[in-house]
Amino acid sequence: DAKTTQPNSMESNEEEPVHLPCNHSTISGTDYIHWYRQLPSQGPEYVIHGLTSNVNNRMASLAIAEDRKSSTLILHRATLRDAAVYYCILRDVRYGGSQGNLIFGKGTKLSVKP
Amino acid sequence: NAGVTQTPKFQVLKTGQSMTLQCAQDMNHEYMSWYRQDPGMGLRLIHYSVGAGITDQGEVPNGYNVSRSTTEDFPLRLLSAAPSQTSVYFCASRRADGSGVNTEAFFGQGTRLTVV
Repeated sequence: DAKTTQPNSMESNEEEPVHLPCNHSTISGTDYIHWYRQLPSQGPEYVIHGLTSNVNNRMASLAIAEDRKSSTLILHRATLRDAAVYYCILRDVRYGGSQGNLIFGKGTKLSVKP
Repeated sequence: NAGVTQTPKFQVLKTGQSMTLQCAQDMNHEYMSWYRQDPGMGLRLIHYSVGAGITDQGEVPNGYNVSRSTTEDFPLRLLSAAPSQTSVYFCASRRADGSGVNTEAFFGQGTRLTVV
């Protein structure tokens, strides 16, 4: 079973910030939080990942709660191209040796309105 | 740099036929995985490999075989296609990191398979 909980869908207006929440109450101390997104008719693509501290890259920011039981992916200015399904993932060590593997839930479908 | 290449992009099979979905990566990644995605669902892990000669089962392995004779290639074989295997199949690869820091996974564009 997926170890993360996300809303099924969210809407945003173009050029406004978007905060995508994720709950992972059973996270272990060594689990990284990964975010991927899937644009329509494409394979998933990496967005960002982090362990404890907030992380920034050119695509997004990841804010991790102090107790690590939740995190938020932040898109600073949503564009139409950001309309996608966003997956919050913890690695599953049942699959993939010591590093585990990515096990996807259903994610959050983000719609961006012009 | 081609990344992860999947062939074919589309395929229609008759029930009972067999076929191989091809996946190749040119990044020298140790880890490779196969996923399937059904409509409105997330991706489910079929099989994975942590290196050449090593494969293992994921969440939904029944009806599929894999092998990993080289680092670059990770083909997925459907032994006897069934309508329940109608899905979009994605292959992924990523570098192993000895420190345990999970690395970025790269996905192919997918193979859309229909079994009639």
